[in-house]
Amino acid sequence: EDQVTQSPEALRLQEGESSSLNCSYTVSGLRGLFWYRQDPGKGPEFLFTLYSAGEEKEKERLKATLTKKESFLHITAPKPEDSATYLCAVNIGTYKYIFGTGTRLKVLA
Amino acid sequence: DTEVTQTPKHLVMGMTNKKSLKCEQHMGHRAMYWYKQKAKKPPELMFVYSYEKLSINESVPSRFSPECPNSSLLNLHLHALQPEDSALYLCASSVRMDNYNEQFFGPGTRLTVL
Repeated sequence: EDQVTQSPEALRLQEGESSSLNCSYTVSGLRGLFWYRQDPGKGPEFLFTLYSAGEEKEKERLKATLTKKESFLHITAPKPEDSATYLCAVNIGTYKYIFGTGTRLKVLA
Repeated sequence: DTEVTQTPKHLVMGMTNKKSLKCEQHMGHRAMYWYKQKAKKPPELMFVYSYEKLSINESVPSRFSPECPNSSLLNLHLHALQPEDSALYLCASSVRMDNYNEQFFGPGTRLTVL
C-alpha cells in the first residue's frame, strides 16, 4: 500500500537551533515529492518540488533533499516566523497526491 | 498572477441550507482540485477537474456537487450537509493533471454546519 509518513509529529526549537524534518515514503512509483508549509486555518503554501534521488532545493533557511526512500527538510537557524505545519506530498500517478500527516513546528524566541 | 482565490472565507450553514463555494485561478492551469481538511489532518482529495471535465470523484457523498463553468473557475455546491462535514475546504490547481507538477492552494473556506 502506498504510504507517506512524516516525523516527528511535533517539534519545538529554540530560535537559531537547526533541525531536520523527515518524510518517508513507500510508493509504487514516485513521480514527484512536494513540500508545503501550512499556517493554521490557511491553505498549504508550496515550497519545493523534488523529482529524483540526489536532488536538492534551497530557499532562505530551508533546504530539501531526496533519497530513494525519504526526503528531509532541513531548517537552518530557524526564526519564530518559521513556525507552521510542514506537509510533504508525493505524486504517484495522473491525479494521485498522497499527503503525509505533517510536522507541527514551533520555534521559540 | 500566481494566486488561487476562494470565497467565502468563512461559511456557517444549517443542515437544510444550500450554499456554494467558489474558487478562481488565472494561472492558465488546466487541473483544479477540491480537498477537505479536518483539524490536524492532511488534506483529503474530493474531486479533480481536468480541462473542465470531472476526472476524479473520490466517492464523495452527493450532497457535495462540483461544477467547473470554465477553465478559471471551480464551484462546490453544498446541500443538506451534516455537522461532520464541518472542515476547511481547499481548492488547488496545477498545470495539468497528467503533469507531475506542484499544486497551488487557495486560502480555504472554513465551513461550519450547525
